[in-house]
Amino acid sequence: DQQVKQNSPSLSVQEGRISILNCDYTNSMFDYFLWYKKYPAEGPTFLISISSIKDKNEDGRFTVFLNKSAKHLSLHIVPSQPGDSAVYFCAAKTINTGTASKLTFGTGTRLQVTL
Amino acid sequence: DGGITQSPKYLFRKEGQNVTLSCEQNLNHDAMYWYRQDPGQGLRLIYYSQIVNDFQKGDIAEGYSVSREKKESFPLTVTSAQKNPTAFYLCASSPTGLGQGIIYGYTFGSGTRLTVV
Repeated sequence: DQQVKQNSPSLSVQEGRISILNCDYTNSMFDYFLWYKKYPAEGPTFLISISSIKDKNEDGRFTVFLNKSAKHLSLHIVPSQPGDSAVYFCAAKTINTGTASKLTFGTGTRLQVTL
Repeated sequence: DGGITQSPKYLFRKEGQNVTLSCEQNLNHDAMYWYRQDPGQGLRLIYYSQIVNDFQKGDIAEGYSVSREKKESFPLTVTSAQKNPTAFYLCASSPTGLGQGIIYGYTFGSGTRLTVV
């Protein structure tokens, strides 16, 4: 049962345009969401996160939007740059105190930014 | 310079062999994790450990074993019982409790690509 879904396996966007990556989740207990970026043969690196008490978080060119009622979040990259070409993973967790809070990952979306 | 180190980067295994993947961290994180990445399947949790001498099965633990004798180390053994071991393996660590572990989630190693020959 895939609790975090990224239904678009790939996305191609022109340099300078907006990239929108989508993520849906089914577990209503999730209350924190993260996006990771991964280059081939490397480990994922943290990009941006959002708590369920917010509906938007912005960091430079990256903005994450959360729609709790729809159980949907999206990552916007504006403007897109060739170096943004990578696989993007959405992840979700429940916040626990004093315990390891496991991340549940989506299947990833491969973003290709073309010149 | 703190980080998490996985070795080797590439590993070849013959059918029927056990192999062990190394994961070491100097971030003073309590929790450590092993994930497997296959094309189109994202990251799937194999095992995780919240504290020394304790570990829990993840979603796909069959054919794998782990140990956590030291806080810094969480080696993964891929046994001959694992039917399809060829994959990219990622180790991660995180603090437990509130704070940076909440904000940033995990710190990942650079991965080990295991191929059965």
